[in-house]
Amino acid sequence: DAKTTQPTSMDCAEGRAANLPCNHSTISGNEYVYWYRQIHSQGPQYIIHGLKNNETNEMASLIITEDRKSSTLILPHATLRDTAVYYCIVRVYSGAGSYQLTFGKGTKLSVIP
Amino acid sequence: DGGITQSPKYLFRKEGQNVTLSCEQNLNHDAMYWYRQDPGQGLRLIYYSQIVNDFQKGDIAEGYSVSREKKESFPLTVTSAQKNPTAFYLCASSMMGQGGETQYFGPGTRLLVL
Repeated sequence: DAKTTQPTSMDCAEGRAANLPCNHSTISGNEYVYWYRQIHSQGPQYIIHGLKNNETNEMASLIITEDRKSSTLILPHATLRDTAVYYCIVRVYSGAGSYQLTFGKGTKLSVIP
Repeated sequence: DGGITQSPKYLFRKEGQNVTLSCEQNLNHDAMYWYRQDPGQGLRLIYYSQIVNDFQKGDIAEGYSVSREKKESFPLTVTSAQKNPTAFYLCASSMMGQGGETQYFGPGTRLLVL
């Protein structure tokens, strides 16, 4: 199971902030939330990850609710090159020091000129 | 230029033929992974390896084999036992250790059965 729920698709006007929601109501206390994106026919690109606190890097911000049951990825000024499928993933410990990322179908973000 | 390389970008397989997909990384990462992606779907884990000469099956290992003779290399063989091999194959790598082992992906190999 992917353990996350995302909308199938979203549109965003170019230059505006894109806010991508994700529900992960069964997340455990030590499980991280990861975000990747995939542009058509390319490998997924890492964006950001977090545990409890909000995180920001040069690509995006990640807002995690206090109960950790949901999060929002924010692209502050969307460009046409941000059109991609965005995956919200809960990283699960699979034993022996190994972690697994389970990719669902993600959210198809279309940035509109 | 550090990163993960996969070759070839496109690969054609005849019925009953084994093919091997290459994955190389120069990031000094301990762990490497192979995923399969079908059209409109997410990624599914085939095999992963945390250390040289050791690897574990993922969710869909049947019809595939791997080896990890060097830290930098993790080739995937799609055998004739894999009845529906047409897909996009992605290799990833990560460090091992506490607190957020981010996986970084290669550009992928698209396999097509003739």
